[in-house]
Amino acid sequence: SQTIHQWPATLVQPVGSPLSLECTVEGTSNPNLYWYRQAAGRGLQLLFYSVGIGQISSEVPQNLSASRPQDRQFILSSKKLLLSDSGFYLCAAAGTPSQETQYFGPGTRLLVL
Amino acid sequence: AQSVSQHNHHVILSEAASLELGCNYSYGGTVNLFWYVQYPGQHLQLLLKYFSGDPLVKGIKGFEAEFIKSKFSFNLRKPSVQWSDTAEYFCAAGIGGSYIPTFGRGTSLIVHP
Repeated sequence: SQTIHQWPATLVQPVGSPLSLECTVEGTSNPNLYWYRQAAGRGLQLLFYSVGIGQISSEVPQNLSASRPQDRQFILSSKKLLLSDSGFYLCAAAGTPSQETQYFGPGTRLLVL
Repeated sequence: AQSVSQHNHHVILSEAASLELGCNYSYGGTVNLFWYVQYPGQHLQLLLKYFSGDPLVKGIKGFEAEFIKSKFSFNLRKPSVQWSDTAEYFCAAGIGGSYIPTFGRGTSLIVHP
């Protein structure tokens, strides 16, 4: 079965600082990868998804970017954090045998001060 | 654009009570349907899914969901809840077999012992 790793688990960063959140996947190859932001009472907001190395689709224009340097690595970045970037970020993967079913990582809680 | 509606945002039950959480989606074609659960302090995990076949789907921990195409619904049920079912529940729909499911806002369930 697929295992999704995310780090760090918690991060406190000042406004204007850069960001790099990492997600790695085990147990599958060539997965679809996703970054979500989860806000209380608002469900999951899809930020980016990737169907292959170097292929990134953005769902919501904002201060963040994503990259996929390797098949099972997905990175969420920002050059300059805003207060509004605070939140809970989830990485998900969907791979063989079913690319319609997503498996989620433990998440990173980001607080921008 | 497709949407997924979860009608109950907060549900409070006593142990042994029956549970039904509503989920409706807004798309008339082929859909893949999911229920995910997030227990306190844990990451999102798949509870059950429907792709095709028997519209009554059995999941883990005694949960089941029924796909009613005419009502565009996929309600989650459990005949007798336990304190350990306290969690947040998310319905999701992948429209037309999409690899990008749309999530509902979630329902917070609290079960009193």
